[in-house]
Amino acid sequence: SQQGEEDPQALSIQEGENATMNCSYKTSINNLQWYRQNSGRGLVHLILIRSNEREKHSGRLRVTLDTSKKSSSLLITASRAADTASYFCARETSGSRLTFGEGTQLTVNP
Amino acid sequence: EAEVAQSPRYKITEKSQAVAFWCDPISGHATLYWYRQILGQGPELLVQFQDESVVDDSQLPKDRFSAERLKGVDSTLKIQPAELGDSAMYLCASSLSRTQETQYFGPGTRLLVL
Repeated sequence: SQQGEEDPQALSIQEGENATMNCSYKTSINNLQWYRQNSGRGLVHLILIRSNEREKHSGRLRVTLDTSKKSSSLLITASRAADTASYFCARETSGSRLTFGEGTQLTVNP
Repeated sequence: EAEVAQSPRYKITEKSQAVAFWCDPISGHATLYWYRQILGQGPELLVQFQDESVVDDSQLPKDRFSAERLKGVDSTLKIQPAELGDSAMYLCASSLSRTQETQYFGPGTRLLVL
């Protein structure tokens, strides 16, 4: 079973707009990672934020982590049609085990 | 750029038949993972190898699933007998070590059990 939730389940925006996805979890973590999955393909690692970090940037991606609220958010700025994909947060607990959320399906309309 | 290879990409089988999936991780990656992803959900870990040893198979249905990584390189996941509920995407991933957090995923094998 999977622990935690992601919201929204689906998000549809116009090109150029920002997209924000949220992830909540229940147990303590070593780090939290975000992955992208294009339809019918494998997952691609986007960004990792450690439990002692609060914010991290990578290109158009910004990730925040609030360990007191057990939540994280992924912001994609100036979205493009090529950003259309499913986005998953994954919590790493002991032994490098990753627990994935249900994912957010992002659609960026041209 | 090095990639995780998986085969076959698609597999259709009838229930009660045996199926096998193959994974070749990125060269030098000691840790290998098998995940199952049901449509519309996130991946769920089935088994984790460190070199040739299983370090986590707590979510592997051992009555019908088996996995091996005999030489600590490529790996095979087997289902026997397959059931209708096994229809899913089976993903393989690898990482340099258990302490290297980023996992690199293969393209997956989509299994349909009829």
